[in-house]
Amino acid sequence: DAGVIQSPRHEVTEMGQEVTLRCKPISGHDYLFWYRQTMMRGLELLIYFNNNVPIDDSGMPEDRFSAKMPNASFSTLKIQPSEPRDSAVYFCASRSGRAISGNTIYFGEGSWLTVV
Amino acid sequence: AQTVTQSQPEMSVQEAETVTLSCTYDTSESDYYLFWYKQPPSRQMILVIRQEAYKQQNATENRFSVNFQKAAKSFSLKISDSQLGDAAMYFCAYRSARLNTDKLIFGTGTRLQVFP
Repeated sequence: DAGVIQSPRHEVTEMGQEVTLRCKPISGHDYLFWYRQTMMRGLELLIYFNNNVPIDDSGMPEDRFSAKMPNASFSTLKIQPSEPRDSAVYFCASRSGRAISGNTIYFGEGSWLTVV
Repeated sequence: AQTVTQSQPEMSVQEAETVTLSCTYDTSESDYYLFWYKQPPSRQMILVIRQEAYKQQNATENRFSVNFQKAAKSFSLKISDSQLGDAAMYFCAYRSARLNTDKLIFGTGTRLQVFP
């Protein structure tokens, strides 16, 4: 089975530019998560969706960040305008809502963002 | 609020030997899940093992096993017959079993080095 697929894997952009990160969750998974990993703050949850509906976006740092999930197989995380402090690895993850799945969250390979 | 503590920033082990990584957590909840994730240099987050708090039996996955002490709020990972490919960052993570609290809380990680 295909895992969580993220794109781009690496992106370098200039401050002020818009950045869009994309994610395809594992087929059949009804929860989707966006995490960010930095040296200073470690791994932190930004937002998560259940059945395409945002449930908790309290981790989204500020209005420059937005996330959407237009359908069950696609989500985007957008940063506009980007700033150097947004440089991080952004992970998308998903899990099934079925108890038999063991409530395990599976991560994508991450998108490594550098804002210069 | 729940917290996860990994008190060993770095550990090292000789190939074929056994190593134990420590993790403690703080929670007032009785039902939750615990995970160990491995992050190699590629940055991908890979699930190693998971434990449901209601299960008394320690989880085992091949060379990986846990020592889950619920009363002590301790969740250590034992790697037996260590291999060079085990070298990575290891993160302990906690997730509440309450509905609509779908957030992994991570420790700061332990970097494991494996020497030939």
